[in-house]
Amino acid sequence: GAVVSQHPSWVICKSGTSVKIECRSLDFQATTMFWYRQFPKQSLMLMATSNEGSKATYEQGVEKDKFLINHASLTLSTLTVTSAHPEDSSFYICSHSGRAYNEQFFGPGTRLTVL
Amino acid sequence: QKEVEQDPGPLSVPEGAIVSLNCTYSNSAFQYFMWYRQYSRKGPELLMYTYSSGNKEDGRFTAQVDKSSKYISLFIRDSQPSDSATYLCAMSAGANSKLTFGKGITLSVRP
Repeated sequence: GAVVSQHPSWVICKSGTSVKIECRSLDFQATTMFWYRQFPKQSLMLMATSNEGSKATYEQGVEKDKFLINHASLTLSTLTVTSAHPEDSSFYICSHSGRAYNEQFFGPGTRLTVL
Repeated sequence: QKEVEQDPGPLSVPEGAIVSLNCTYSNSAFQYFMWYRQYSRKGPELLMYTYSSGNKEDGRFTAQVDKSSKYISLFIRDSQPSDSATYLCAMSAGANSKLTFGKGITLSVRP
């Protein structure tokens, strides 16, 4: 399967600060990347679809001004959580599609804790 | 009713047992069915990818899809402690459609 990395793997920040999470596709030029959020004992919820060189498409209920996504190259997408609050604490996971849009390869995830 | 339902478990079995994991769904448009394995604090890993009804086997893993009943299963034969993880089912309506995930079931295989 494809190799996807995320950085950082975990981060703790104070309420009100911004946090940037990087997602890299190490062996595949990913036109499309996805960002998910997973709360404890919950399923993965798609937040947004990120297309290289264009604006991300956000799922209903996800604030695009709070979760800024940039997909500037075929191997890098970033998610910035702006003015983070404790309720934003979660496991954030990125993925990219393979041969098909729905065949996705996931990164190891980033655990965000907002104090 | 959620689109995808999955018994959250947890499920504990002895080593060597046959494990059966299941998901039901309500959206008849789903045609692609996947199973992912997720180890603690890691991202999901694609195990099985199937299209429409039928069976697919890969080593100790068999995926079954029954579209008439809107029911999918993952069977693990000769389960090993290394199979201990959370298993998530996922579905999509088309090859270019987003994935909808179940909550996942945590499996523990006891040595």
